[in-house]
Amino acid sequence: EVQLLESGGGFVQPGGSLRLSCAATGFTFYNYAMSWVRQTPGKGLEWVSAISPSDGSTYYADSVKGRFTISRDNSKNTLYLQMSSLRADDTAVYYCAKIGLRSSPYDFDYWGQGTLLTVSS
Amino acid sequence: DIVMTQTPLSSPVTLGQPASISCRSSQSLVHRDGNTYLSWLQQRPGQPPRLLIYKVSNRFSGVPDRFSGSGAGTDFTLTISRVEAEDVGVYYCMQAKQFPQYTFGQGTKLEIK
Repeated sequence: EVQLLESGGGFVQPGGSLRLSCAATGFTFYNYAMSWVRQTPGKGLEWVSAISPSDGSTYYADSVKGRFTISRDNSKNTLYLQMSSLRADDTAVYYCAKIGLRSSPYDFDYWGQGTLLTVSS
Repeated sequence: DIVMTQTPLSSPVTLGQPASISCRSSQSLVHRDGNTYLSWLQQRPGQPPRLLIYKVSNRFSGVPDRFSGSGAGTDFTLTISRVEAEDVGVYYCMQAKQFPQYTFGQGTKLEIK
Protein backbone atom coordinates (compact mmCIF):
# COMPACT_ATOMS: atom_id res chain seq x y z
CA GLU A 1 0.00 0.00 0.00
CA VAL A 2 1.39 3.37 -1.01
CA GLN A 3 1.72 5.78 1.90
CA LEU A 4 3.06 9.31 1.96
CA LEU A 5 3.51 10.95 5.34
CA GLU A 6 4.36 14.63 5.52
CA SER A 7 5.88 16.30 8.55
CA GLY A 8 7.59 19.51 9.51
CA GLY A 9 4.77 22.00 9.24
CA GLY A 10 4.22 24.60 11.90
CA PHE A 11 4.12 28.27 12.75
CA VAL A 12 6.80 30.55 11.31
CA GLN A 13 7.30 34.30 11.25
CA PRO A 14 7.57 36.11 7.92
CA GLY A 15 11.09 35.86 6.57
CA GLY A 16 11.69 32.59 8.37
CA SER A 17 12.61 29.14 7.10
CA LEU A 18 11.27 25.65 7.50
CA ARG A 19 11.84 22.22 6.00
CA LEU A 20 9.04 19.82 5.16
CA SER A 21 9.58 16.09 4.81
CA CYS A 22 7.56 13.37 3.14
CA ALA A 23 8.30 9.75 4.03
CA ALA A 24 7.25 7.32 1.31
CA THR A 25 6.46 3.62 1.64
CA GLY A 26 4.78 0.95 -0.46
CA PHE A 27 6.46 1.65 -3.80
CA THR A 28 9.92 1.87 -5.34
CA PHE A 29 10.60 5.49 -4.45
CA TYR A 30 13.62 6.04 -6.68
CA ASN A 31 11.61 5.13 -9.79
CA TYR A 32 9.11 7.97 -9.48
CA ALA A 33 9.04 11.71 -9.76
CA MET A 34 7.55 13.45 -6.75
CA SER A 35 5.87 16.76 -6.18
CA TRP A 36 4.65 19.24 -3.60
CA VAL A 37 1.21 20.81 -3.97
CA ARG A 38 -0.30 23.31 -1.56
CA GLN A 39 -3.85 24.25 -0.75
CA THR A 40 -5.27 27.43 0.65
CA PRO A 41 -8.92 28.32 1.18
CA GLY A 42 -8.58 31.33 -1.05
CA LYS A 43 -6.46 29.99 -3.94
CA GLY A 44 -7.40 26.32 -3.95
CA LEU A 45 -4.83 23.81 -5.13
CA GLU A 46 -1.51 25.16 -6.38
CA TRP A 47 1.39 23.13 -7.73
CA VAL A 48 4.60 24.15 -5.96
CA SER A 49 7.51 21.99 -7.07
CA ALA A 50 8.54 18.67 -8.60
CA ILE A 51 11.67 16.54 -8.79
CA SER A 52 12.69 13.80 -11.19
CA PRO A 53 13.32 10.26 -9.96
CA SER A 54 17.07 10.09 -10.20
CA ASP A 55 18.86 12.82 -12.13
CA GLY A 56 17.83 15.50 -9.68
CA SER A 57 16.04 17.73 -12.16
CA THR A 58 13.88 20.16 -10.25
CA TYR A 59 10.97 22.39 -11.20
CA TYR A 60 9.28 25.26 -9.39
CA ALA A 61 6.23 27.45 -9.62
CA ASP A 62 7.12 31.09 -10.23
CA SER A 63 5.61 31.97 -6.84
CA VAL A 64 8.27 30.00 -4.96
CA LYS A 65 11.25 30.06 -7.34
CA GLY A 66 14.40 31.20 -5.59
CA ARG A 67 12.88 30.70 -2.13
CA PHE A 68 12.01 26.99 -2.02
CA THR A 69 14.26 24.01 -2.75
CA ILE A 70 12.96 20.53 -3.41
CA SER A 71 15.22 17.53 -2.84
CA ARG A 72 15.04 13.83 -2.21
CA ASP A 73 17.03 11.15 -0.48
CA ASN A 74 16.37 7.91 -2.33
CA SER A 75 18.27 5.94 0.32
CA LYS A 76 15.75 7.13 2.91
CA ASN A 77 12.67 7.15 0.63
CA THR A 78 12.09 10.73 1.66
CA LEU A 79 11.15 13.92 -0.17
CA TYR A 80 11.96 17.36 1.19
CA LEU A 81 10.94 20.96 0.68
CA GLN A 82 13.27 23.57 2.13
CA MET A 83 11.40 26.86 2.38
CA SER A 84 12.99 30.22 3.10
CA SER A 85 12.02 33.89 2.97
CA LEU A 86 8.55 32.75 3.92
CA ARG A 87 5.63 35.11 3.38
CA ALA A 88 2.09 35.20 4.71
CA ASP A 89 0.78 33.99 1.37
CA ASP A 90 2.79 30.77 1.74
CA THR A 91 0.36 29.78 4.49
CA ALA A 92 -1.25 26.57 3.29
CA VAL A 93 -1.58 22.85 3.73
CA TYR A 94 1.33 21.27 1.87
CA TYR A 95 0.82 17.87 0.26
CA CYS A 96 3.39 15.60 -1.25
CA ALA A 97 2.22 13.58 -4.20
CA LYS A 98 3.62 10.71 -6.20
CA ILE A 99 3.78 11.28 -9.92
CA GLY A 100 3.10 8.61 -12.47
CA LEU A 101 1.03 5.53 -12.86
CA ARG A 102 1.76 2.83 -15.40
CA SER A 103 -0.45 4.25 -18.12
CA SER A 104 -0.10 7.94 -17.30
CA PRO A 105 3.39 9.21 -16.54
CA TYR A 106 2.37 12.71 -15.45
CA ASP A 107 -0.58 12.26 -13.10
CA PHE A 108 -0.63 12.37 -9.31
CA ASP A 109 -1.81 8.95 -8.26
CA TYR A 110 -1.23 9.19 -4.51
CA TRP A 111 -1.30 12.08 -2.09
CA GLY A 112 -0.17 12.41 1.51
CA GLN A 113 -2.38 13.68 4.32
CA GLY A 114 -0.76 17.10 4.27
CA THR A 115 1.06 19.31 6.76
CA LEU A 116 -0.03 22.83 7.70
CA LEU A 117 2.33 25.77 7.42
CA THR A 118 1.25 29.05 8.98
CA VAL A 119 3.33 32.15 8.32
CA SER A 120 2.36 35.01 10.59
CA SER A 121 3.86 37.61 12.86
CA ASP B 1 -0.14 28.80 -17.81
CA ILE B 2 -3.20 26.81 -18.76
CA VAL B 3 -6.27 28.10 -16.93
CA MET B 4 -8.84 25.53 -15.83
CA THR B 5 -12.42 26.72 -15.31
CA GLN B 6 -15.03 24.56 -13.62
CA THR B 7 -18.79 24.93 -13.60
CA PRO B 8 -20.79 24.95 -11.45
CA LEU B 9 -18.88 25.89 -8.31
CA SER B 10 -21.58 24.32 -6.18
CA SER B 11 -23.90 21.47 -7.02
CA PRO B 12 -26.72 20.39 -4.71
CA VAL B 13 -27.84 16.91 -5.72
CA THR B 14 -30.49 14.46 -4.54
CA LEU B 15 -29.24 11.05 -3.42
CA GLY B 16 -29.58 8.52 -6.23
CA GLN B 17 -29.72 11.20 -8.90
CA PRO B 18 -26.99 11.94 -11.46
CA ALA B 19 -24.56 14.84 -11.20
CA SER B 20 -22.17 16.34 -13.67
CA ILE B 21 -19.35 18.85 -13.45
CA SER B 22 -17.78 20.65 -16.38
CA CYS B 23 -14.21 21.75 -16.85
CA ARG B 24 -12.85 23.93 -19.60
CA SER B 25 -9.18 24.57 -20.31
CA SER B 26 -7.76 27.72 -21.88
CA GLN B 27 -5.91 25.63 -24.45
CA SER B 28 -6.01 22.10 -25.80
CA LEU B 29 -4.82 19.44 -23.37
CA VAL B 30 -3.61 17.11 -26.11
CA HIS B 31 0.02 16.35 -25.38
CA ARG B 32 2.62 15.87 -28.09
CA ASP B 33 2.52 12.15 -27.22
CA GLY B 34 -1.10 12.09 -28.42
CA ASN B 35 -2.66 11.65 -24.98
CA THR B 36 -4.95 14.14 -23.28
CA TYR B 37 -3.83 14.76 -19.72
CA LEU B 38 -6.99 15.81 -17.94
CA SER B 39 -7.72 14.25 -14.59
CA TRP B 40 -10.38 14.56 -11.90
CA LEU B 41 -9.68 14.59 -8.17
CA GLN B 42 -12.08 14.13 -5.28
CA GLN B 43 -11.51 15.73 -1.90
CA ARG B 44 -13.81 14.56 0.85
CA PRO B 45 -14.16 16.78 3.94
CA GLY B 46 -10.98 16.70 6.00
CA GLN B 47 -9.19 14.46 3.52
CA PRO B 48 -6.45 15.01 0.93
CA PRO B 49 -7.29 14.95 -2.76
CA ARG B 50 -7.71 11.53 -4.32
CA LEU B 51 -7.32 10.60 -7.99
CA LEU B 52 -10.59 9.50 -9.57
CA ILE B 53 -10.12 9.77 -13.32
CA TYR B 54 -6.98 10.21 -15.44
CA LYS B 55 -6.46 10.85 -19.16
CA VAL B 56 -10.06 12.07 -19.49
CA SER B 57 -11.91 8.80 -18.98
CA ASN B 58 -9.79 6.21 -17.15
CA ARG B 59 -10.95 5.31 -13.68
CA PHE B 60 -8.15 4.92 -11.13
CA SER B 61 -7.85 1.77 -9.07
CA GLY B 62 -10.73 1.29 -6.65
CA VAL B 63 -12.91 4.05 -8.06
CA PRO B 64 -16.57 3.00 -8.36
CA ASP B 65 -17.95 2.68 -11.88
CA ARG B 66 -20.64 5.28 -11.16
CA PHE B 67 -17.87 7.83 -11.85
CA SER B 68 -17.09 8.49 -15.49
CA GLY B 69 -15.20 11.10 -17.44
CA SER B 70 -15.61 12.35 -20.97
CA GLY B 71 -14.56 15.12 -23.27
CA ALA B 72 -11.82 16.16 -25.64
CA GLY B 73 -9.61 19.09 -26.52
CA THR B 74 -10.65 21.82 -24.09
CA ASP B 75 -14.03 20.64 -22.75
CA PHE B 76 -14.44 17.88 -20.22
CA THR B 77 -17.13 16.45 -17.95
CA LEU B 78 -17.17 14.34 -14.81
CA THR B 79 -20.41 12.44 -14.35
CA ILE B 80 -21.66 10.58 -11.30
CA SER B 81 -24.46 8.30 -12.45
CA ARG B 82 -26.18 7.96 -9.06
CA VAL B 83 -24.90 10.12 -6.23
CA GLU B 84 -24.24 8.43 -2.90
CA ALA B 85 -23.70 10.09 0.47
CA GLU B 86 -19.97 9.27 0.40
CA ASP B 87 -19.58 11.36 -2.77
CA VAL B 88 -19.97 14.62 -0.85
CA GLY B 89 -16.89 16.78 -1.20
CA VAL B 90 -15.06 19.01 -3.62
CA TYR B 91 -14.12 17.89 -7.12
CA TYR B 92 -11.20 19.34 -9.05
CA CYS B 93 -10.08 18.99 -12.62
CA MET B 94 -6.36 19.15 -13.28
CA GLN B 95 -4.21 19.38 -16.37
CA ALA B 96 -0.86 17.64 -16.71
CA LYS B 97 -0.25 18.51 -20.35
CA GLN B 98 2.27 21.14 -19.32
CA PHE B 99 4.05 18.78 -16.92
CA PRO B 100 5.30 19.73 -14.44
CA GLN B 101 3.48 23.07 -14.56
CA TYR B 102 0.22 21.56 -13.32
CA THR B 103 -2.88 23.70 -12.92
CA PHE B 104 -6.16 22.96 -11.23
CA GLY B 105 -9.75 24.08 -11.54
CA GLN B 106 -11.30 26.13 -8.72
CA GLY B 107 -13.20 23.13 -7.40
CA THR B 108 -16.87 22.19 -7.42
CA LYS B 109 -18.57 21.49 -4.11
CA LEU B 110 -20.97 18.57 -4.31
CA GLU B 111 -23.57 18.54 -1.57
CA ILE B 112 -26.74 16.65 -0.88
CA LYS B 113 -30.04 18.50 -1.08
